[in-house]
Amino acid sequence: QKEVEQDPGPLSVPEGAIVSLNCTYSNSAFQYFMWYRQYSRKGPELLMYTYSSGNKEDGRFTAQVDKSSKYISLFIRDSQPSDSATYLCAMSYGGATNKLIFGTGTLLAVQP
Amino acid sequence: DSGVTQTPKHLITATGQRVTLRCSPRSGDLSVYWYQQSLDQGLQFLIQYYNGEERAKGNILERFSAQQFPDLHSELNLSSLELGDSALYFCASSVISTNNYGYTFGSGTRLTVV
Repeated sequence: QKEVEQDPGPLSVPEGAIVSLNCTYSNSAFQYFMWYRQYSRKGPELLMYTYSSGNKEDGRFTAQVDKSSKYISLFIRDSQPSDSATYLCAMSYGGATNKLIFGTGTLLAVQP
Repeated sequence: DSGVTQTPKHLITATGQRVTLRCSPRSGDLSVYWYQQSLDQGLQFLIQYYNGEERAKGNILERFSAQQFPDLHSELNLSSLELGDSALYFCASSVISTNNYGYTFGSGTRLTVV
């Protein structure tokens, strides 16, 4: 079993829709949670990060962490064609070991 | 442009050969990370350097090695290449070694082993 599981999609939605992207994880020691966006042939770009449980909002993006369920989510409101990309969740244990464990990514296509 | 520079962008080589991938971190960043991205495994952590010293090691094969130089650029050496080593190799950087809020990735080197 992988430490971090993510539905690979693809997920296709019409422009303006609310998108929900999710990851589950198995190790309760994870403390820091991130979402990256990766366009084709580009490197991952950090979108949002959160520490422990709770919500964080940044513009059209909202990240949620539920440590009791070992479940994290990214919501995109008013989705745009420019949001079409692969979305990767990532997490770390914190402390001196800050390597990131990534999900395999969800491919999102927002149709105009 | 993320500020993390990787060269070359593309590399095609034969099995058994050796290649060197280069990474220049963002200005001011002391920590460099190497990741491998393949279709079936996703992004896998290989190794981390901080200010010239190895800080953490992940699933890096013995055929692979890395170093960080005094000017903070880093090189990843891949030897005795196999078809399965074909992947995207990313470098990332951050200011400190214990940055738990993510780091900045370069655009990657696409390695094809034929």
